[in-house]
Amino acid sequence: NAGVTQTPKFQVLKTGQSMTLQCAQDMNHEYMSWYRQDPGMGLRLIHYSVGAGITDQGEVPNGYNVSRSTTEDFPLRLLSAAPSQTSVYFCASSYSGGWTAGELFFGEGSRLTVL
Amino acid sequence: KNQVEQSPQSLIILEGKNCTLQCNYTVSPFSNLRWYKQDTGRGPVSLTIMTFSENTKSNGRYTATLDADTKQSSLHITASQLSDSASYICVVSPLFEGYSSASKIIFGSGTRLSIRP
Repeated sequence: NAGVTQTPKFQVLKTGQSMTLQCAQDMNHEYMSWYRQDPGMGLRLIHYSVGAGITDQGEVPNGYNVSRSTTEDFPLRLLSAAPSQTSVYFCASSYSGGWTAGELFFGEGSRLTVL
Repeated sequence: KNQVEQSPQSLIILEGKNCTLQCNYTVSPFSNLRWYKQDTGRGPVSLTIMTFSENTKSNGRYTATLDADTKQSSLHITASQLSDSASYICVVSPLFEGYSSASKIIFGSGTRLSIRP
């Protein structure tokens, strides 16, 4: 059982470039989300989805785009990378993101550096 | 504003010793509180979950306590091992009347624990 799989693990971009971070889960979870983790700060929510075709913004959505065409996949797109987007990105899923927040299952993380 | 604060920011102890990590929160109303362990270079993994009616929850050498009146939680690690070296994150879920409760989860910034042989 793979759980939550993120790719790539490491990426270096130049300012202005675009890219997509991939996230897939095989647990049939309704809820999927993207977080960024910066030193000295708690995980901050970028975007989330409560099911296929349904997405919404989190705390820090600017510069990022998401879509959810299937239950399994939830890619995160960086439209025009900026140095402020240098961070570690985590995808997380939960069997319950609706009325009661269930346990979050995290991927291994994607470390992004923007030069 | 709902907040979760953890202390200390970092802690170094010798292998075999006990330690206690603190979490204070201002989240209200409150649904549940989890402690996650995050190994270096890995994603966080849930250790314990506590609802407002629970005072203590154990998971092996990890024991979490909760005082809903003072809005404080602690994570006690007994007989520490080298593998306990990690960041420990306190995560609070507010009681939310809507169909996206997981999006309201609030994370503390974590305590970095280092175990020395």
